[in-house]
Amino acid sequence: NAGVTQTPKFQVLKTGQSMTLQCAQDMNHEYMSWYRQDPGMGLRLIHYSVGAGITDQGEVPNGYNVSRSTTEDFPLRLLSAAPSQTSVYFCASSLTGANTEAFFGQGTRLTVV
Amino acid sequence: KQEVTQIPAALSVPEGENLVLNCSFTDSAIYNLQWFRQDPGKGLTSLLLIQSSQREQTSGRLNASLDKSSGRSTLYIAASQPGDSATYLCAVGGGNYQLIWGAGTKLIIKP
Repeated sequence: NAGVTQTPKFQVLKTGQSMTLQCAQDMNHEYMSWYRQDPGMGLRLIHYSVGAGITDQGEVPNGYNVSRSTTEDFPLRLLSAAPSQTSVYFCASSLTGANTEAFFGQGTRLTVV
Repeated sequence: KQEVTQIPAALSVPEGENLVLNCSFTDSAIYNLQWFRQDPGKGLTSLLLIQSSQREQTSGRLNASLDKSSGRSTLYIAASQPGDSATYLCAVGGGNYQLIWGAGTKLIIKP
């Protein structure tokens, strides 16, 4: 029972490079989201999706793109990496949204130099 | 705007003690409150989810309470063990699919 799978676990990028963080879930959850976690702060929502083909912005969407072509996958794209995007990124899914239990991936530690 | 605060940021107690972690929020119009555990280098694990109509939830040695009127939740851990050492996060669910998070309490249980 895989749950939520995130790849890669670690990544170092140079300023200006682009990359995609992968997220997949096998629980047939409608709701998926991406957060970033910075020291001393709560998790902040980047983007979320309430179902295939539907995405919306969270609290800190600038510099990130998402798409949701299938129920299972919700990739996060960094368009042009900046040092301010150095963070730990978490993908999460839940059955229908914030009022149901959330399941998290293992996280991606991203460093932008 | 909803704000979630967890105090203290860190807590160290001897093994076997009962302890309480605190979470406060500014807007009482919530759908639910969730408590999570985060181990170093790992993802978050959901511990307890309290719906807005509930006062408490229990799972094993954990008990979470919710008082919407005062904007507070507590996570009670009975008979603490070294394996309970982790960061504990609370998150408040609103009506817009979003969870608003506290910064967490880092708990260390000393053997």
